Amino acid sequence: GQSLEQPSEVTAVEGAIVQINCTYQTSGFYGLSWYQQHDGGAPTFLSYNALDGLEETGRFSSFLSRSDSYGYLLLQELQMKDSASYFCAGRDDKIIFGKGTRLHILP
Amino acid sequence: KAGVTQTPRYLIKTRGQQVTLSCSPISGHRSVSWYQQTPGQGLQFLFEYFSETQRNKGNFPGRFSGRQFSNSRSEMNVSTLELGDSALYLCASSLVTGQGSYEQYFGPGTRLTVT
Repeated sequence: GQSLEQPSEVTAVEGAIVQINCTYQTSGFYGLSWYQQHDGGAPTFLSYNALDGLEETGRFSSFLSRSDSYGYLLLQELQMKDSASYFCAGRDDKIIFGKGTRLHILP
Repeated sequence: KAGVTQTPRYLIKTRGQQVTLSCSPISGHRSVSWYQQTPGQGLQFLFEYFSETQRNKGNFPGRFSGRQFSNSRSEMNVSTLELGDSALYLCASSLVTGQGSYEQYFGPGTRLTVT
């Protein structure tokens, strides 16, 4: 089976950096994806790590360590519009999502 | 290119009834996955279809079923509705299935309320 664990909530200050962690347990694994979902909206794809290391896309970066079954999403220069829920997702024979991390940003 | 569309957007049903939800993927996408989203459980995988074949199924009772048509459009059906089926049902499409389908495009969802 497969499960992904992530914190339920994280709070950070506008302009700061925040890291959202994701640990997983799976018998087979193809990589880790990250999605963002604003209230009332649909999840949107942010990034994907197939291999160990850091992937950078603008203010967002994602990291994967397969030996540690661990990954994280790093958001830099936080903006109020980044207030949303963030989901990690892994795949073996099907895509499984973590329960999501609600990011609160303080002005 | 048009995004994933889902109909209807909102639905209110009574316990014991059945419901059919529809999803049209992005043009050219052949994989369609369905998810149930509730506040306590997050996104839970229902099933995935690729080229009209069910590729995978999540841990939901047999009341939940689906199908995919030759044009890749997909429907899911829930029979004998229960109060606990109230949720946002999301459809997502991707170009391929398997290892390459890490990037999914989600529709706006259908908000189902069972009373």
